Formats: sequence, structure tokens, C-alpha cells
Amino acid sequence: RKEVEQDPGPFNVPEGATVAFNCTYSNSASQSFFWYRQDCRKEPKLLMSVYSSGNEDGRFTAQLNRASQYISLLIRDSKLSDSATYLCVVNAGGYQKVTFGTGTKLQVIP
Amino acid sequence: SQTIHQWPATLVQPVGSPLSLECTVEGTSNPNLYWYRQAAGRGLQLLFYSVGIGQISSEVPQNLSASRPQDRQFILSSKKLLLSDSGFYLCAWSIRGTGELFFGEGSRLTVL
Repeated sequence: RKEVEQDPGPFNVPEGATVAFNCTYSNSASQSFFWYRQDCRKEPKLLMSVYSSGNEDGRFTAQLNRASQYISLLIRDSKLSDSATYLCVVNAGGYQKVTFGTGTKLQVIP
Repeated sequence: SQTIHQWPATLVQPVGSPLSLECTVEGTSNPNLYWYRQAAGRGLQLLFYSVGIGQISSEVPQNLSASRPQDRQFILSSKKLLLSDSGFYLCAWSIRGTGELFFGEGSRLTVL
């Protein structure tokens, strides 16, 4: 089993739609979780951290389910500019190593 | 504010030639530094990380090496490139204990 798994997509959604991505992780000792966004041929950029109680940043909501070992990202009212690949990142601590998922590609269609 | 610079942005190299990619961080001290590689259509692979000057940990066996001659400088090198070394190389830094990474703009390497 991969340490971090994501559905590669692509998710093709119309503007204004709500879309959700899940990411599962295998290490139950994982301590911190993040979502990154990567535009085509660009570097990944931190989108948001994922807190145990769940957190929201504008149209974006992130949630953590430790019992089932997954995190989720919900995007409401999708914009064309949301088109990108979304990377799930899990940190098990220790040597500050982080594990990236392979990403989920989102394409928002006019 | 903190910034990270990585260069060169693009390079095309013949098989067997040497490689040197450089990364510097400004505005912070004693960061954790990382080199990642992203092959076409694949996820990020951690190559090296460093928690301090001269302290390098390698994640995968390969013909690449890394060095950290100064606190905020991280260098990725190879003596002889292979075709399989082609990819998008990303330098990143993090503040100790947070796990959040901040990436440079990347270096796209094509080995012919």
C-alpha cells in the first residue's frame, strides 16, 4: 500500500460546482497534513493545512478523519482559476520528512 | 519575508555530463532544506534533505549527490548524468517542526 494515495482524476467540473477530493494515508502515526496546489509546469504551493477539527479558508474546506486515515478537500463554487493539480501531503514527523501524494487533477470547465 | 531562489530554471544536458543545481534561502536561519524530483506525470520524490550545514540524508540510491556548504545554500550535483535523471527538480525549505514546505521555482532538466 502506498503511503499516501490519491485519485489522479481528472475531475472535470463546470464552473460553480462543488468538488471534493480524498486522500488516504497508511501511517497511523502521521502528525500533520496539508493540501498543496500545483499549476502545470510550476512548483507546488501550500494551499492549506488540515487541522483535526477541520478548517475552512474561503471556498476551501479541509477535513481530517484519523480513524479512517484520510483527509479531504472540498472546493465550493469552483472557478476556472481553480484548475490545477491538488497534492495531498502527510508528515509523520521525526526527521521532518514529508510524503506527497501523486495529486488529483482538477479541470473547471466554462 | 523569506524567499527561496533556485537556478538554473531550464537546462539541457548530454548523457554523461556533470550537473550542478543551486538553491539559496533568504530571510530565515537554520532551515530544513530538501531536494525533490518530479518525473513527467509522477509525484514528488524526495532525493535529499538536510537539517544543518554538512548534514545530508539521502532517500534513494542514485548518481546524484547533495551538499550544504552554508546554512542557507543547498546544491544538487552529479558527475555523470543518465537519461533517467531527466525531470523537474525542486528545492524546498521548511521551518523546523511545522512540516510546511516552501518551494523554489524549480529546474527543468532534460538529458539527451
